[in-house]
Amino acid sequence: EAQVTQNPRYLITVTGKKLTVTCSQNMNHEYMSWYRQDPGLGLRQIYYSMNVEVTDKGDVPEGYKVSRKEKRNFPLILESPSPNQTSLYFCASSLSSSVSNNEQFFGPGTRLTVL
Amino acid sequence: RKEVEQDPGPFNVPEGATVAFNCTYSNSASQSFFWYRQDCRKEPKLLMSVYSSGNEDGRFTAQLNRASQYISLLIRDSKLSDSATYLCAVRQRTYKYIFGTGTRLKVLA
Repeated sequence: EAQVTQNPRYLITVTGKKLTVTCSQNMNHEYMSWYRQDPGLGLRQIYYSMNVEVTDKGDVPEGYKVSRKEKRNFPLILESPSPNQTSLYFCASSLSSSVSNNEQFFGPGTRLTVL
Repeated sequence: RKEVEQDPGPFNVPEGATVAFNCTYSNSASQSFFWYRQDCRKEPKLLMSVYSSGNEDGRFTAQLNRASQYISLLIRDSKLSDSATYLCAVRQRTYKYIFGTGTRLKVLA
């Protein structure tokens, strides 16, 4: 089944404890992206990647890191999480960044709470 | 001013009604436009891409007005199952995506 998977789905952690949220897609998509969703603020793009080893900042990259060493994986790293990073996180992928109307497929979301 | 703006609603409409949402964007160089549907904090799913010529998919019609920088979504003959949050999304030339905050629709029996 074609899908985007994220792990973990739920995570409660404490301030300063490094964590990684994994994202994997099995559709051979070039483009991958991370979003956070907060009430009243909607979906905001954190980082995106147009292909392996190519990443760029979205609107809210502060406090996050990403890497794209393989086409299928795009982990989101929080080196020192803070309470303002408590949010619902979505990973998404689409076939190609060069095709303008490509659909983005979203993962099921990761609900992160930082105490 | 937000780059992409939507009326948050909620829009409460009776079954069978026609409802329309607008979404305005500020960057005239925006390249691609989309409507996504999101149910109860689940993942967004593409409803339709929006083309300059307008496009229709069953009861749903999307239109793009580049001159006035807005996109619209029209839902005809609303069903209970249409109750959801509708997100507009804009892709920039830089391949960044900007989403609106969403418009909540509740279709009432």
